[in-house]
Amino acid sequence: AQKVTQAQTEISVVEKEDVTLDCVYETRDTTYYLFWYKQPPSGELVFLIRRNSFDEQNEISGRYSWNFQKSTSSFNFTITASQVVDSAVYFCALSERYRDDKIIFGKGTRLHILP
Amino acid sequence: DAGITQSPRYKITETGRQVTLMCHQTWSHSYMFWYRQDLGHGLRLIYYSAAADITDKGEVPDGYVVSRSKTENFPLTLESATRSQTSVYFCASSRPGQGEGTQYFGPGTRLLVL
Repeated sequence: AQKVTQAQTEISVVEKEDVTLDCVYETRDTTYYLFWYKQPPSGELVFLIRRNSFDEQNEISGRYSWNFQKSTSSFNFTITASQVVDSAVYFCALSERYRDDKIIFGKGTRLHILP
Repeated sequence: DAGITQSPRYKITETGRQVTLMCHQTWSHSYMFWYRQDLGHGLRLIYYSAAADITDKGEVPDGYVVSRSKTENFPLTLESATRSQTSVYFCASSRPGQGEGTQYFGPGTRLLVL
């Protein structure tokens, strides 16, 4: 069965600190896709990244980086030098091949960046 | 490029009334989805559609009806609203990609059932 676990319900850090959001997934498929979405206080859901199961290279986009490790079934998200605008709920998600593009979401991690 | 839109953005209704939430996308994406978001439950899939006239149930379909007569529209109807259906509803769409299709979300509809 597919499952996504975000153990950190809520995190608070002071601005400019680095912060890592954890995501652990479960799947029996060998081909799958992992996602991160951001939900700022305004409420919309914003796509951040998609990785497929065959590409374990870490990804960096500005202050954001993602660490995908199949050995530990983890897809962690790090924000470097956090800013107040990073305050949001972040969702990790999983999609398996041949599943009609359905995505299973984790419960989300609420991130507070304190000024 | 409007992307994906939802209407209304806010709705207050009474128990027992029928309510229809609209979703429209301009990308010609094949797949469309309806989710509800509740505290403690995250995002839960209500219904999805792989193409026009093809719909299927998600995790929490009871009390909801969908249709997809045109690719760009995917309305969600609450036939007889209940207080437990008070929630934020999100519509999403994706191109078919054998599981790799990224879902793009509408802005959401906040529904309050009194």
